[in-house]
Amino acid sequence: QVQLAQSGAEVKQPGASVKVSCKASGYTFTGYFIHWVRQAPGQGLEWMGIVRPSAGTTKYAQKFQGRVTMASDTSTSTVYMELSRLGSEDTATYYCARELPNSYYFDYWGQGTLVTVSS
Amino acid sequence: EIVLTQSPGTLSLSPGERATLSCRASQSVNSNYLVWYQQKPGQALRLLIYGASSRATGIPDRFSGSGSGTDFTLTISRLEPEDLAVYYCQQLGNSGYIFGQGTKLEI
Repeated sequence: QVQLAQSGAEVKQPGASVKVSCKASGYTFTGYFIHWVRQAPGQGLEWMGIVRPSAGTTKYAQKFQGRVTMASDTSTSTVYMELSRLGSEDTATYYCARELPNSYYFDYWGQGTLVTVSS
Repeated sequence: EIVLTQSPGTLSLSPGERATLSCRASQSVNSNYLVWYQQKPGQALRLLIYGASSRATGIPDRFSGSGSGTDFTLTISRLEPEDLAVYYCQQLGNSGYIFGQGTKLEI
């Protein structure tokens, strides 16, 4: 069955970076895109960007340009999202989600990774 | 950029009743890209409806989507206690994906 297994919770200090992983299984990794979406406590969902493992390309939301890096490793079927220069406003649960190319919906989601930014 | 406004913010209903959730776009959007998700406490998000009205695999026919232009609706007929969740709509914008702020459904 399709699974997106995310790495565990992180606590980071302001100004630090965090790297969250999303390991895919149960399907052909290069046949799908992976998106990253975050949710601040008690808030709604915010799209961060997309990784296309087959092409190795990415696109980021303008808000995160220059601060986020997303990448994929086809040898381990894993996608990574690294966010730098963390501030308290980055405290959120970060989700990866799968998209069949050009379907424009996310059919499977990871369980989420809570990142807490606190001094 | 498109803004999606969901209403009501919270909806309190009883089992067996019908729930009507609204998602209004700030400008006309392509209904092919209008999606609904369900977020239950402590669980991964679940795809319900895509293309405004197509049910995802395994979704009960109690869930239905409709609408076009700027107004979209998720209808849940015959509510069950397990439908307690927050429901989000999503649309593809010019620069990426946009979500509504969610409707919390209390049973």
